[in-house]
Amino acid sequence: KAGVTQTPRYLIKTRGQQVTLSCSPISGHRSVSWYQQTPGQGLQFLFEYFSETQRNKGNFPGRFSGRQFSNSRSEMNVSTLELGDSALYLCASSGGSSYNEQFFGPGTRLTVL
Amino acid sequence: TQLLEQSPQFLSIQEGENLTVYCNSSSVFSSLQWYRQEPGEGPVLLVTVVTGGEVKKLKRLTFQFGDARKDSSLHITAAQPGDTGLYLCAGQTGGATNKLIFGTGTLLAVQP
Repeated sequence: KAGVTQTPRYLIKTRGQQVTLSCSPISGHRSVSWYQQTPGQGLQFLFEYFSETQRNKGNFPGRFSGRQFSNSRSEMNVSTLELGDSALYLCASSGGSSYNEQFFGPGTRLTVL
Repeated sequence: TQLLEQSPQFLSIQEGENLTVYCNSSSVFSSLQWYRQEPGEGPVLLVTVVTGGEVKKLKRLTFQFGDARKDSSLHITAAQPGDTGLYLCAGQTGGATNKLIFGTGTLLAVQP
């Protein structure tokens, strides 16, 4: 099975712009979660989508949003970018295990200038 | 807010040494997972422990879930340079939200 893929791998934006990141889960996985990873805050949960519905949400401002399509692919959008949004954004899919085991993609490295 | 504190934060050792990484919380988790992340990659699941007191072995890695399901440890025997990476524990909250709470991470460097 192919793993989780994320595009693009690297992105440079300036403050005030918006960005859209894409994630394709492992075939058959219906749950997709997004995380932000920074050296200072570690790995923080953004939100989880399951069958096109947001099932869980972390403590991030409304500038962070996402959606999931009928084929389980997901996108994450960040509007009005701030310098502090520079981070590695990780997508993970889960196949419905009772333990919510996550299979991560390689991430998108976002740099905001 | 549920927190998972890992210690130590950084660890640099020589090849062949043993080490233990700790993952502690004041909250009870329904299960706990350990991941390893290498530079430029996403975390990779190593193991899931479910029962209080459970011990699982993965080659030279030994994982233990605390009796009260609030803490966990990872012990590596005879570390090798290939063990280098960021080790993350993640607790499953269970219940209606069933979120994964990730620990603060332990960065391990094994020198040849």
